[in-house]
Amino acid sequence: AQSVTQPDIHITVSEGASLELRCNYSYGATPYLFWYVQSPGQGLQLLLKYFSGDTLVQGIKGFEAEFKRSQSSFNLRKPSVHWSDAAEYFCAGVRSGSARQLTFGSGTQLTVLP
Amino acid sequence: DADVTQTPRNRITKTGKRIMLECSQTKGHDRMYWYRQDPGLGLRLIYYSFDVKDINKGEISDGYSVSRQAQAKFSLSLESAIPNQTALYFCATRDSSEQFFGPGTRLTVL
Repeated sequence: AQSVTQPDIHITVSEGASLELRCNYSYGATPYLFWYVQSPGQGLQLLLKYFSGDTLVQGIKGFEAEFKRSQSSFNLRKPSVHWSDAAEYFCAGVRSGSARQLTFGSGTQLTVLP
Repeated sequence: DADVTQTPRNRITKTGKRIMLECSQTKGHDRMYWYRQDPGLGLRLIYYSFDVKDINKGEISDGYSVSRQAQAKFSLSLESAIPNQTALYFCATRDSSEQFFGPGTRLTVL
């Protein structure tokens, strides 16, 4: 089955520290992959997306993600976390060229310590 | 104004009541979606529509129905609400590559 997995339910980092959120996918072909952020009481905002080409994708708010086919991963990174980054992060995917809907991971809750 | 709007934003209702959640979009997209979000489960698809005449069940459609009144409007109904339908509900639209989400409706069924 096609799926997206986020192994970490909750991550805590100190402000200024680097961040990496893990996402693994299971698709027969290279999927389209997305990272969304949900701040408390808010909807989902797209951080970045990968369709093809350069495997390192830059997004908004200083985030980036790297597509690694060999590891079936699309991990989200940020070099220096700010307190405002505290939120829940969702990885999502869809089979490339498909009209089907997105499949979401279960989310990773990020806590930022002062 | 927001591109995807949902009404109401919050609703508390009782078991057995009929509830309708509404979604409107100004993006001109044909594709619209309804998801529910539960803690630890991410977003799960309830129904989706590719145009006014094309409505499809998602992975958790039981207990829900939808109506696509126009390209811009996609409503979700709970015919007889039950407590395990307490959740955060999101509407979304999609262009060729990206989904755009509404702010969500928090529904509590007592």
